[in-house]
Amino acid sequence: KNQVEQSPQSLIILEGKNCTLQCNYTVSPFSNLRWYKQDTGRGPVSLTIMTFSENTKSNGRYTATLDADTKQSSLHITASQLSDSASYICVVSVGGNEKLTFGTGTRLTIIP
Amino acid sequence: ETGVTQTPRHLVMGMTNKKSLKCEQHLGHNAMYWYKQSAKKPLELMFVYSLEERVENNSVPSRFSPECPNSSHLFLHLHTLQPEDSALYLCASSQDHLSYEQYFGPGTRLTVT
Repeated sequence: KNQVEQSPQSLIILEGKNCTLQCNYTVSPFSNLRWYKQDTGRGPVSLTIMTFSENTKSNGRYTATLDADTKQSSLHITASQLSDSASYICVVSVGGNEKLTFGTGTRLTIIP
Repeated sequence: ETGVTQTPRHLVMGMTNKKSLKCEQHLGHNAMYWYKQSAKKPLELMFVYSLEERVENNSVPSRFSPECPNSSHLFLHLHTLQPEDSALYLCASSQDHLSYEQYFGPGTRLTVT
């Protein structure tokens, strides 16, 4: 069964600190992996999309990594800001039909 | 903003009511989606429309009835809902229904009393 698991479920860090969110998946065949940011009361917004051949991709203070061998991805946030408080959702696409498998998300709270 | 709008943003309805959720995309996309997001659960895909044709219906109860009159508009008609249907309902669109990138609307927070 295709599954995406994220950890931790929730995380609280001080403003300015770095943090790393984890995503493990069992989706096969793999097409691509995306990280979405979802602010409270809003829809998810794409941060990065990574294909099989990409190991690292950055978007400002967000850096995603992908290890297709171990089926793991991480999202690293550098110098966190209050506006980073949100849920971060890992989504993996099945090769061939592009069906999406969603993780339950990590709820990140940045405190001043 | 992502170019996908949803109305209303909040809705409270009784189990005997009939209401509709509306989604509009301004991106020129050909595919539109309805998702249900419940607390601590992954997003659940409900319906997929491509060029106004329904291409996917993931075992959704008949009390949810989608309608796609054109490629820019998508509706979700609701009737005789149950309290467990309370959730955030998200609309999304993509260039086509196999496209990598989906753009989400802000969602409608539905509460069934």
